Amino acid sequence: DTGVSQDPRHKITKRGQNVTFRCDPISEHNRLYWYRQTLGQGPEFLTYFQNEAQLEKSRLLSDRFSAERPKGSFSTLEIQRTEQGDSAMYLCASSRTINQPQHFGDGTRLSIL
Amino acid sequence: AQKVTQAQTEISVVEKEDVTLDCVYETRDTTYYLFWYKQPPSGELVFLIRRNSFDEQNEISGRYSWNFQKSTSSFNFTITASQVVDSAVYFCALSSGNQFYFGTGTSLTVIP
Repeated sequence: DTGVSQDPRHKITKRGQNVTFRCDPISEHNRLYWYRQTLGQGPEFLTYFQNEAQLEKSRLLSDRFSAERPKGSFSTLEIQRTEQGDSAMYLCASSRTINQPQHFGDGTRLSIL
Repeated sequence: AQKVTQAQTEISVVEKEDVTLDCVYETRDTTYYLFWYKQPPSGELVFLIRRNSFDEQNEISGRYSWNFQKSTSSFNFTITASQVVDSAVYFCALSSGNQFYFGTGTSLTVIP
C-alpha cells in the first residue's frame, strides 16, 4: 500500500522566491488536503480538493498561495514571493471521502533565508 | 466559531501509568466528526480514531480508549499502562462544515 508522498522533503529558498511543492495522494482517494504546521502547533488547514475541484480555502490563505490538482491525482502547492513567515512544514493528506480518516505524508519543510 | 482546545501542553508519566489527554471542541454544527492523531518523533501524523457527532459510544482499542461526551463537548483519550513507544504529540481534530481544525497538541513523554 503506497502512502501519501510529498516532494521535496526539504526546501531552502531566499525571501521573495517562488516555490512549488508536490503531493501524490493514495491512488483511490479522491479528497486531498493541504495543511501548514509550525513548531509547537497543530496542522493549520489551508485548502482541499475533491478530485480536481478545489472546494474550500481557508480565510487565512494569502493570495500568494495557490494550489492545483489538474487531473484529480497529484496536487501542487505554489507560494509566490515567499516571506519569512512562510517557513513551516507543509503537509498533504488524502482520504477516500469527506470525513473519512486523512492519511498524511511526511511533509515538505520550507525554510526561508 | 469552530475550535479545538487541548489545554495540556506537555505531560510526563512513568511507564505503566495510565494517562488521559483532554480535548474540548466548539462547533455550531449538529453534524461533525472528531479525530485523534498521533505524531511520533519521526513526524508523520498517524490516524487513531474517528467519531461522528451522533455516536456517543465510548470505544476501546487495546490500551487506548476514548470518551466522547456531547454534553461537555469533550472527546478525551486515555492510554492504559503507558509504554515508551507511546511518547509522541497527540492531536485532537474537528471536521465541521468544509473546514478542519486541529488542536495545538499534547506532548506525551513516557519515562522508562
